[in-house]
Amino acid sequence: SQQGEEDPQALSIQEGENATMNCSYKTSINNLQWYRQNSGRGLVHLILIRSNEREKHSGRLRVTLDTSKKSSSLLITASRAADTASYFCATDNSGNTPLVFGKGTRLSVIA
Amino acid sequence: NAGVTQTPKFRVLKTGQSMTLLCAQDMNHEYMYWYRQDPGMGLRLIHYSVGEGTTAKGEVPDGYNVSRLKKQNFLLGLESAAPSQTSVYFCASTKLAEETQYFGPGTRLLVL
Repeated sequence: SQQGEEDPQALSIQEGENATMNCSYKTSINNLQWYRQNSGRGLVHLILIRSNEREKHSGRLRVTLDTSKKSSSLLITASRAADTASYFCATDNSGNTPLVFGKGTRLSVIA
Repeated sequence: NAGVTQTPKFRVLKTGQSMTLLCAQDMNHEYMYWYRQDPGMGLRLIHYSVGEGTTAKGEVPDGYNVSRLKKQNFLLGLESAAPSQTSVYFCASTKLAEETQYFGPGTRLLVL
């Protein structure tokens, strides 16, 4: 089945630095979403970018989408210790099929 | 609103035992989903429902059954638990014509 693949699997940075995570997918999509999961918790939706959009911002989050390369990136600027979590991309290739999640990137932000 | 709630939070089963996980949402969402999350595997869809009385198989449906008798509830059943079903189970819901999924806090299941 179609699946986003995040890269890297794990990332460790210092507080204040920027964190970049990438997601690649295999087939055409309607939209791509990013979710965050804190340890021991459920996933929380962060941002959605549609296939006709190239970039989107939400607070310290910046998402880009390159449909020609079938890839997306999530940038977290000025990271904080509270950003420590796993981040998942999820792809939606039609309104009637469920999202397909990648395996996630584990981000550790060290104070 | 409580959002999406899951019962129980944690359970230990012996091989061969059965159990039912309950997911409830108070957002009047049409779609509901059951996922399992295993280390290094991300989220994998078990079953989902696009409305009351309807269910469909996801990526890993074997060994599980589901029922959606009421719009707000989505039940996941394990008829004969196996150690391979040790996992964290997440329920999610979404509103028709929206794409964002809302997740419950998860149920940790250990099958011995």
